Amino acid sequence: QVQLVQSGTEVKKPGASVTVSCKASGYTFTAYYIHWVRQAPGQGLEWMGIINPKDGTTSYAQKFQGRVTTTRDTSTSTVYIELSSLTSEDTALYYCARSWGGSFGNPPLYWGQGTLVSVSS
Amino acid sequence: DIQMTQSPSTLSASVGDRVTITCRASQSIDMWLAWYQQKPGKAPNLLIYRASGLQSGVPSRFSGSASVTEFTLTISSLQPDDFATYYCQQHKSYPYTFGQGTKLEIK
Repeated sequence: QVQLVQSGTEVKKPGASVTVSCKASGYTFTAYYIHWVRQAPGQGLEWMGIINPKDGTTSYAQKFQGRVTTTRDTSTSTVYIELSSLTSEDTALYYCARSWGGSFGNPPLYWGQGTLVSVSS
Repeated sequence: DIQMTQSPSTLSASVGDRVTITCRASQSIDMWLAWYQQKPGKAPNLLIYRASGLQSGVPSRFSGSASVTEFTLTISSLQPDDFATYYCQQHKSYPYTFGQGTKLEIK
C-alpha cells in the first residue's frame, strides 16, 4: 500500500532553516508527483510546491520563491523540502502528498502524517 | 494566481440534511477542481477530483458539479461522520490554490 512517512517535529529559531523529509513506499517513486502543503494552527491548507521525482523539476508558490527548495533522492525514494529564513509565521504542520495520477494536473491523493515545524525565539 | 473563494465559511446542519458548499474560481479552471474533507488532527481526504469524479471508497452521498467558474460539493443526506471541514482546490495551474475551507457543524 502507498505510504508516505515524514520526519519528526522540528523546533527552530527565527532566521534558521529547516528540512523535512518524506519517504515514499508502495508504488513506483518516479511515476507520481509529490506536493507540499502546510497548515498553520487553526488555519486552512496552503499549497507550497511540487516536484516531479522522475526528473526533479519543481514549481513553487510565489509566496515561497527564493526560500524554498524541494529535492528528491531516487535511491531512497525520499523527497525533501527545505525552507529558509524562518519566521513565526512558518509555524505549521507540513504535509507531503502524492498525486492522484501520474501526470501533470493531478491533485494530492495520498498524504504523509505531517511534520510539525515550530519557530520560536 | 487563481483565487478560490469558498462559501459559506461555516455551515450548521442536522443528520439527514442535504447540504451544498460552493467554490468559485477567479478565472476558468475547466473541470480541474478537487474537494477534500479534513477532520481534526488528520490529513485531508480526497473526495472528488476533476469537479465530479468520485474518489474510490468515498460514499455516493458525496457529489460534485460545475458551472463555468462555480463548483459545488453536495452531501445528499448528512451522516454523523460527515461533520468536518471541507476544502476545494484547483489543480489546473500552479500554484494549486485551496479555498479557505467550510466548517460543517452539527446544528
